[in-house]
Amino acid sequence: GAVVSQHPSRVICKSGTSVKIECRSLDFQATTMFWYRQFPKKSLMLMATSNEGSKATYEQGVEKDKFLINHASLTLSTLTVTSAHPEDSSFYICSASSGSHNEQFFGPGTRLTVL
Amino acid sequence: GESVGLHLPTLSVQEGDNSIINCAYSNSASDYFIWYKQESGKGPQFIIDIRSNMDKRQGQRVTVLLNKTVKHLSLQIAATQPGDSAVYFCAETGNQFYFGTGTSLTVIP
Repeated sequence: GAVVSQHPSRVICKSGTSVKIECRSLDFQATTMFWYRQFPKKSLMLMATSNEGSKATYEQGVEKDKFLINHASLTLSTLTVTSAHPEDSSFYICSASSGSHNEQFFGPGTRLTVL
Repeated sequence: GESVGLHLPTLSVQEGDNSIINCAYSNSASDYFIWYKQESGKGPQFIIDIRSNMDKRQGQRVTVLLNKTVKHLSLQIAATQPGDSAVYFCAETGNQFYFGTGTSLTVIP
């Protein structure tokens, strides 16, 4: 099956710093990548959808200047949490779709802790 | 910070029993359905899928049932094991991808 990786798997940072999370599709070209956020024992929350080479589409309530998304190639999307604060601490999950029936393949997630 | 997101419904079953997890979908145009399993601290993993021209599909210990009349999807897990404890999400897709809320399954040894 299709494999999606995320890096880093865990990151701890100081308040006010920026953190970049990478999402890569390893064995297929992802025309669309999605970024989700998940709090403990809660559902996945879609943050934004990005298509290669174009600006990301953000869900209502998600600050685009806070969560910068770049989908520079068909195998890589990045999420940068700018000026991170403790309330940004969460589990961030990306997924990728090749467009074939829109099935999404999920990454393993990145645990962000902001001190 | 304030936690957001929907609380997950929970289901507890005894080890060895069968589990049934239900999902209602909303889009009549959806023609492909997927069940994902998410273990604690990991991303969702594909379990089984079904297309809209089928009512039932079986995998290893899992069966997915699709009722298009009432837009209902279910996942049945036979002889549930402790390793099945996880959150299970359904997803529907056609021209859009929609993720269900998820159900937290706990298997009691």
